[in-house]
Amino acid sequence: EAGVTQFPSHSVIEKGQTVTLRCDPISGHDNLYWYRRVMGKEIKFLLHFVKESKQDESGMPNNRFLAERTGGTYSTLKVQPAELEDSGVYFCASSPSGREQYFGPGTRLTVT
Amino acid sequence: RKEVEQDPGPFNVPEGATVAFNCTYSNSASQSFFWYRQDCRKEPKLLMSVYSSGNEDGRFTAQLNRASQYISLLIRDSKLSDSATYLCVVGRRYSSASKIIFGSGTRLSIRP
Repeated sequence: EAGVTQFPSHSVIEKGQTVTLRCDPISGHDNLYWYRRVMGKEIKFLLHFVKESKQDESGMPNNRFLAERTGGTYSTLKVQPAELEDSGVYFCASSPSGREQYFGPGTRLTVT
Repeated sequence: RKEVEQDPGPFNVPEGATVAFNCTYSNSASQSFFWYRQDCRKEPKLLMSVYSSGNEDGRFTAQLNRASQYISLLIRDSKLSDSATYLCVVGRRYSSASKIIFGSGTRLSIRP
């Protein structure tokens, strides 16, 4: 069974540019989560989808971040405009039940 | 105070040793508990869920003490391949959503 996939694996952009990260969850998993790990800090929750609905977006840092999951399959996380402090690794995870979560390999975002 | 606290380590132990990690959580409404392992520059991988009755998976044993709000992980007969960062993860449900909170991780290094 294919795991969670994320694209791109690595992105380097300049401050002020826009970046869109994509996550494809495990097939059949209704729950999809985005997390971020900033260097030296613990992994922090960003938001949670159940199918196409946002259940909890309390972890989104500010309105420069926009997540979508149209059709309840893959999800995108757009950062516009990117700032230096947005650098980090963005993980996506999916879960069939909302309990155990399975993580993708992450997208390493560097904003210069 | 962080909601999930772990000793950051590093723990440096010889192959074959037994090593134990503890983790404490502050929110008594927490309902689900997990240990994940994360290898360097990789995604977190679910190691095991933790139940009140305790659970064992081969060389790994996890315990939950709800009264004292701590979780433990015991690794017996440690192998070189056990070297990784071990993340304590605590979840709780509210409304129809669920949220998980990561500890900052405990680094384990097994030496030959």
